[in-house]
Amino acid sequence: AQSVTQPDIHITVSEGASLELRCNYSYGATPYLFWYVQSPGQGLQLLLKYFSGDTLVQGIKGFEAEFKRSQSSFNLRKPSVHWSDAAEYFCAVGAIKAAGNKLTFGGGTRVLVKP
Amino acid sequence: GAGVSQSPRYKVAKRGQDVALRCDPISGHVSLFWYQQALGQGPEFLTYFQNEAQLDKSGLPSDRFFAERPEGSVSTLKIQRTQQEDSAVYLCASSPRDTSSYNEQFFGPGTRLTVL
Repeated sequence: AQSVTQPDIHITVSEGASLELRCNYSYGATPYLFWYVQSPGQGLQLLLKYFSGDTLVQGIKGFEAEFKRSQSSFNLRKPSVHWSDAAEYFCAVGAIKAAGNKLTFGGGTRVLVKP
Repeated sequence: GAGVSQSPRYKVAKRGQDVALRCDPISGHVSLFWYQQALGQGPEFLTYFQNEAQLDKSGLPSDRFFAERPEGSVSTLKIQRTQQEDSAVYLCASSPRDTSSYNEQFFGPGTRLTVL
């Protein structure tokens, strides 16, 4: 069964500083990997996704993530954080199956941005 | 165009009441998913529809949970005899094609259910 671990429950970062959110997955084949962001009272918005090819993927809002198969990781980064980046971030793994390509999510990392 | 919409946005139920949560997917989207997100947790899969067919209901926590999508568009998640542990945000997502290749799931804002 697939699973996702986000080791950091909370991260506090100063505005303008860099941000890295960790994600480790467990899956028996090549995974489809995603990062979503959820602001209070909002649904999930896709930041970026990895299906195949270049292991460094660019997303919206200046985010990027790197797929490292040897470490089973898909960490999210942003060079300079803005106050509007305060939100909860979820890593997810998806799999194509005969009936459904459901997503399995990690527990999330809440990011707080200090002025 | 319009995204995925869900109603109501908030629902308070007394323990033992039945509730119905509605999802309007993006028009023309073939696949529809329901997820449950408990407070402080990531979303967890409940069930999946391809058009009107419910192809996976492995995540439904008990037989009190029932979902339908009779005409392949709007879906309703029904919870009978609600319990306090059912309190959560229920998220609906749709995607444009079937599962032969992976495609992005678009999420609605969710329905926050509180069972007293």
